[in-house]
Amino acid sequence: QVQLLQSGAEVKTPGASVKVSCKASGYSFSAHYIHWVRQAPGQGPEWMGWLNPSGGGAKYAQKFQGRATVTRDTSINTVYMDLRRLTSDDTAVYYCARGRGVSLNWYFDLWGRGTLVTVSS
Amino acid sequence: DIVMTQSPDSLAVSLGERATINCKSSQSVLNSSNNKKYLAWYQQKPGQPPKVLIYWASTRESGVPERFSGSGSGTDFTLTISSLQAEDVAVYYCQQYYSSPFTFGPGTKVHIK
Repeated sequence: QVQLLQSGAEVKTPGASVKVSCKASGYSFSAHYIHWVRQAPGQGPEWMGWLNPSGGGAKYAQKFQGRATVTRDTSINTVYMDLRRLTSDDTAVYYCARGRGVSLNWYFDLWGRGTLVTVSS
Repeated sequence: DIVMTQSPDSLAVSLGERATINCKSSQSVLNSSNNKKYLAWYQQKPGQPPKVLIYWASTRESGVPERFSGSGSGTDFTLTISSLQAEDVAVYYCQQYYSSPFTFGPGTKVHIK
C-alpha cells in the first residue's frame, strides 16, 4: 500500500525541540522528493522545506532556516523533520507529502495523516 | 517568494449549482520551456490532509470527479465545480510549485446555501 506513515502527536514546552518521522511504503523511496508542510489551527498550509531522499539534499523556507533540519534513513525509508527552539506559534499539524515526479517541481500527490505538535508551558 | 491570493474567502452555493474559486499568483508560474503552468488545486476536509484535485492548472488527478475543472493563464487561475454536491463542502487551496518556497493560497471555504 502506497502511504506515508507519520509519528504520533507531541506536546512540548517552549524552547524544546521536536522530531517528527514519516515512513514511506509501497513505492520507490529514493525516486520522489519529500516535502514538509505545516498547518496552524484554522490556517492554510505553510510549506517548510524539501528533502531529496536520493542524495539527502534539503532546502528550507527562509522562515525555518537554522531552526529546521530534515534528514532521512534510507535503510528504513523514513524521513525526519527536526524543529528546534519551539514557541507557541509552532503549534500546528505537521504533514509530510510526496512530490509526484522525480524532479523537484511537482505537485504533492501523497500526504501523511499529519502529526499534531502542541507547544505549551 | 511567489505570493498566492484567493477569492472569495468563503462561498455559499446551492446543491447542483456552480462554484467558482479564483487564485492569483504574484508572478507567472508558466514555464515557457515546456508550456506548463505549475499550479495545483487541493481540497481539504476537516481532520484530513489536503488532497490534490488539479495539477498543471487544468489536469484532473486520477479519480477526481469530472465536475471539478481548472483553467487559467500564467498568473490568474480558476477552479470550477460545475454542479456542487454535498461531499464537496471543504476548503480549497491553490499552490504554486514553480519555485521554492512552494506557497499556498489562504484558502476558500465552500459550503451549502
